[in-house]
Amino acid sequence: GENVEQHPSTLSVQEGDSAVIKCTYSDSASNYFPWYKQELGKRPQLIIDIRSNVGEKKDQRIAVTLNKTAKHFSLHITETQPEDSAVYFCAASARAQKLVFGQGTRLTINP
Amino acid sequence: GAVVSQHPSRVICKSGTSVKIECRSLDFQATTMFWYRQFPKQSLMLMATSNEGSKATYEQGVEKDKFLINHASLTLSTLTVTSAHPEDSSFYICSADPGQGLDEQFFGPGTRLTVL
Repeated sequence: GENVEQHPSTLSVQEGDSAVIKCTYSDSASNYFPWYKQELGKRPQLIIDIRSNVGEKKDQRIAVTLNKTAKHFSLHITETQPEDSAVYFCAASARAQKLVFGQGTRLTINP
Repeated sequence: GAVVSQHPSRVICKSGTSVKIECRSLDFQATTMFWYRQFPKQSLMLMATSNEGSKATYEQGVEKDKFLINHASLTLSTLTVTSAHPEDSSFYICSADPGQGLDEQFFGPGTRLTVL
């Protein structure tokens, strides 16, 4: 089955700097890669997703890149702000299949 | 649109009792719903996939007789934790798949279960 590895487990950056979180997946059939932000005690919130037919997607300060050959995808947050502090999860799924989550990254933005 | 609710949001029960958690898709029909468990400071782990009108598919290591799933309608799935024990204390989250060629799943707000 699918296995998703996420790094780093914790990340601390200065406000205004960029943050990068990386994930690898194992199943070449996976074609949907969402990223979630989760605050304590809350549901995961989809912040951006990418499908296997594109290599990059951007939404304001957030971007995701996908390398299908290497089976890895990354989340990039630019101009970080204190409210970006949260736990971020990557995930992967094949068409209409279950989501497999990475281990999570606790991002802390230092003022 | 695409709102998923869960009830209750928080439950505390005694060891040995059973607890039912409801997951509803409020403004769309979901042929497939998923149940996840999340322990503190850990990731979401899929427990089972629930399909309307059929038996749930459980992930390896999840006891189907302990975690009973019923998906009797296109808008409601329930998870019953039977004979709960302290080790079952966790955050349970459902998600719903609206199908129609969409990949995105919509998550419920979660249920915090504490077993004393």
